[in-house]
Amino acid sequence: SQTIHQWPATLVQPVGSPLSLECTVEGTSNPNLYWYRQAAGRGLQLLFYSVGIGQISSEVPQNLSASRPQDRQFILSSKKLLLSDSGFYLCAWSVGTRVGNTIYFGEGSWLTVV
Amino acid sequence: GESVGLHLPTLSVQEGDNSIINCAYSNSASDYFIWYKQESGKGPQFIIDIRSNMDKRQGQRVTVLLNKTVKHLSLQIAATQPGDSAVYFCAETPGTASKLTFGTGTRLQVTL
Repeated sequence: SQTIHQWPATLVQPVGSPLSLECTVEGTSNPNLYWYRQAAGRGLQLLFYSVGIGQISSEVPQNLSASRPQDRQFILSSKKLLLSDSGFYLCAWSVGTRVGNTIYFGEGSWLTVV
Repeated sequence: GESVGLHLPTLSVQEGDNSIINCAYSNSASDYFIWYKQESGKGPQFIIDIRSNMDKRQGQRVTVLLNKTVKHLSLQIAATQPGDSAVYFCAETPGTASKLTFGTGTRLQVTL
């Protein structure tokens, strides 16, 4: 069965510091990978998605970037964090992009920028 | 960590009763819908999905109903249990998974 791992689960970072969140998927090949952010009382906002190695689509302009160095690895980064980057970040995957391909989420990473 | 559902609408249900959680969507082109359950501090968990060519789909203790005429989706949970307490939200897409739009969610509280 497929599993998704995301780490670290929680981190507190000072403003201006770098960020690296990692995500890996096991049990499937060539998954579509996603990074979402969830703010309190709000729905999920898609930040980035990738359909293959080195292929990144950005949905919203922001202080973050994403990379996919390997088929099942997705990384969310920032060179200098802002206070507004605080939130709950979720990595997710799907089999493909056809209609009916469900997105499955990891356990999330709580980021607090202080 | 901070809760992601501080100011969500809340549905309180007694243990053993049936729960109905509603979701209205706006995109008439949406043809695939998903319900997720999110427990405090965890990632959303897939519950059940339905395509637009169906009106109803049943799972284990859960049923999803789709009314395309009024763009309304509902999740019914039979014999609600304390473990069902969570935030539930729907998602819709007119096509690919990358176009999924998520609702803000409803908090389900199960009372004993």
